Amino acid sequence: QSALTQPPSASGSPGQSVTISCTGTSSDVGGYNYVSWYQQHPGEAPKLMIYDVSKRPSGVPDRFSGSKSGNTASLTVSGLQAEDEADYYCSSYAGDNNVVFGGGTKLTVV
Amino acid sequence: QVRLQESGPGLVRPSQTLSLTCTVSGGSISSGDYYWSWIRQDPGRGLEWIGYIYYDGSTNYNPSLKSRVTISVDTSKNLFSLKVISVTAADTAVYYCAREAGSDFDIWGQGTLVTVSS
Repeated sequence: QSALTQPPSASGSPGQSVTISCTGTSSDVGGYNYVSWYQQHPGEAPKLMIYDVSKRPSGVPDRFSGSKSGNTASLTVSGLQAEDEADYYCSSYAGDNNVVFGGGTKLTVV
Repeated sequence: QVRLQESGPGLVRPSQTLSLTCTVSGGSISSGDYYWSWIRQDPGRGLEWIGYIYYDGSTNYNPSLKSRVTISVDTSKNLFSLKVISVTAADTAVYYCAREAGSDFDIWGQGTLVTVSS
């Protein structure tokens, strides 16, 4: 199983929206509605932000939304805030009870 | 609330065995509602799922690591453990334990850095 493909970086200004993509194959992203997104600040553990493509855990702001089309999933952060600056990782179920992660995207709020 | 805490040596010699433990508090591994996973992160790089264990001892591993990895559980102590044999510098990483609900990881430990070096 190969890692999912994410852009290494993304940026936006406060108040703007930014979308991060996560591209896999029909064996992972495209084959199941089990894509998750994690936010990681420096020195901290990842935090679950989106699961099952578009569901938000309790406590995650509705500024964060997820979607999927074919083999590509996307995370959109609306109304960017300074505290959204972090690394973001996608993951997907990849069959046979396996999980694969993306390489991560560093989001900068400029 | 449920908390996970990793523990174990921070330095392992090449070709030796890496051993880590994850202690779960605030909830029972035996509830059967979740899988219990290990995930690692190379310094400055991405995340890699290592594998999971269920309370009954059933396991599943990342195919790329399967030959070197064993995950075990001790329900009496409410903890699960990771062993990686024949380590090399490529196994240097921050190792996280996490609770897996479906295919997402909703609770993570703080992580522990393991360095493989002589």
